[in-house]
Amino acid sequence: KAGVTQTPRYLIKTRGQQVTLSCSPISGHRSVSWYQQTPGQGLQFLFEYFSETQRNKGNFPGRFSGRQFSNSRSEMNVSTLELGDSALYLCASSAGQDNNEQFFGPGTRLTVL
Amino acid sequence: DAKTTQPPSMDCAEGRAANLPCNHSTISGNEYVYWYRQIHSQGPQYIIHGLKNNETNEMASLIITEDRKSSTLILPHATLRDTAVYYCIAAGGTSYGKLTFGQGTILTVHP
Repeated sequence: KAGVTQTPRYLIKTRGQQVTLSCSPISGHRSVSWYQQTPGQGLQFLFEYFSETQRNKGNFPGRFSGRQFSNSRSEMNVSTLELGDSALYLCASSAGQDNNEQFFGPGTRLTVL
Repeated sequence: DAKTTQPPSMDCAEGRAANLPCNHSTISGNEYVYWYRQIHSQGPQYIIHGLKNNETNEMASLIITEDRKSSTLILPHATLRDTAVYYCIAAGGTSYGKLTFGQGTILTVHP
């Protein structure tokens, strides 16, 4: 069974631009969570989607948004990029409604110049 | 979600058991204890989880104290490839996909 895939793996943007990251969950998984990892703040939860509905959201500004499609694939968008948005963005999928056994993708490394 | 406390770092000799402790004194009755690890530059990897009984799988064993205020992850025969950051997380059915990662324990396995 294929694992969680994320595209692109690496991305370089400049301040003020926007970016869209994509995540394809494991086949059959309906929950997708997104995390941001930085050296200073560690791994922080962004949001979670289940069956196209956002069920949970972390403490990030409105510039961070996401969505989930009917095939469970998910995208996250960051608008008006700031230098501090440089991070590894990870998505994870899980099978059930309340299943915290999450399978993580390799991440997208975003650099904002 | 309940806060967890872990030592910042631990060392272990290759082939020996690695015992990683975690305190979760405010864990609620419906919260499970989850363990994940992250090898450098990779996404975190699920290891094991449990509610109140001890659990074992092909990767590790999880020992939870009777009062559920602490737990220990045991890697029975550590290898160099087990060098990673290990995270202990308390999460329940209403976490809705949110795992709260602390700083974790950096485990270094030495030859």
